[in-house]
Amino acid sequence: KQEVTQIPAALSVPEGENLVLNCSFTDSAIYNLQWFRQDPGKGLTSLLLIQSSQREQTSGRLNASLDKSSGRSTLYIAASQPGDSATYLCALNTGTASKLTFGTGTRLQVTL
Amino acid sequence: NAGVTQTPKFQVLKTGQSMTLQCAQDMNHNSMYWYRQDPGMGLRLIYYSASEGTTDKGEVPNGYNVSRLNKREFSLRLESAAPSQTSVYFCASSEGTGGRPQHFGDGTRLSIL
Repeated sequence: KQEVTQIPAALSVPEGENLVLNCSFTDSAIYNLQWFRQDPGKGLTSLLLIQSSQREQTSGRLNASLDKSSGRSTLYIAASQPGDSATYLCALNTGTASKLTFGTGTRLQVTL
Repeated sequence: NAGVTQTPKFQVLKTGQSMTLQCAQDMNHNSMYWYRQDPGMGLRLIYYSASEGTTDKGEVPNGYNVSRLNKREFSLRLESAAPSQTSVYFCASSEGTGGRPQHFGDGTRLSIL
């Protein structure tokens, strides 16, 4: 069974700092990996999706990497802003039905 | 552009009551999903529908039933609610299977007393 771990569970950084969020998984047989953002009381917003054949994806200040051999993905956020404060979730698609297995998330707070 | 719409947003039930959570998407997506989110557990898949007319169990289907009413709508029913079903329920949709990104609604917060 696929297990997804996100460490740390919570992170607080000052504004402007570059940061890395980690996601590790136990089964490298994946179709893709998706990073989401969740604001309090809200649903999930898709940030980036990396196919299994890709190494990384970029969108604005966000860069996600995927290393299947080591079972790891990272989400890099450049020049963090208070508006980046949210919970970040990674999710793996391990089958043709696009069913996702989620990590428990990293709660990020960016302070002024 | 509404995306994925869930109703209701909040609900309180008594143990043993029944309820249907509604979900509709306007993106012409083929696949739809129901998840529950509990503290410390992450999101877990309850049921999914790969295409109109099909439904399949996910990781935690016990106590739930689903109906794919048409391409747009996918409902989740609790026949006899239990306190263990207190959770936040999310509906999602994707263009199809094979690794398409999923788009989520804002959730239904359900409390069962």
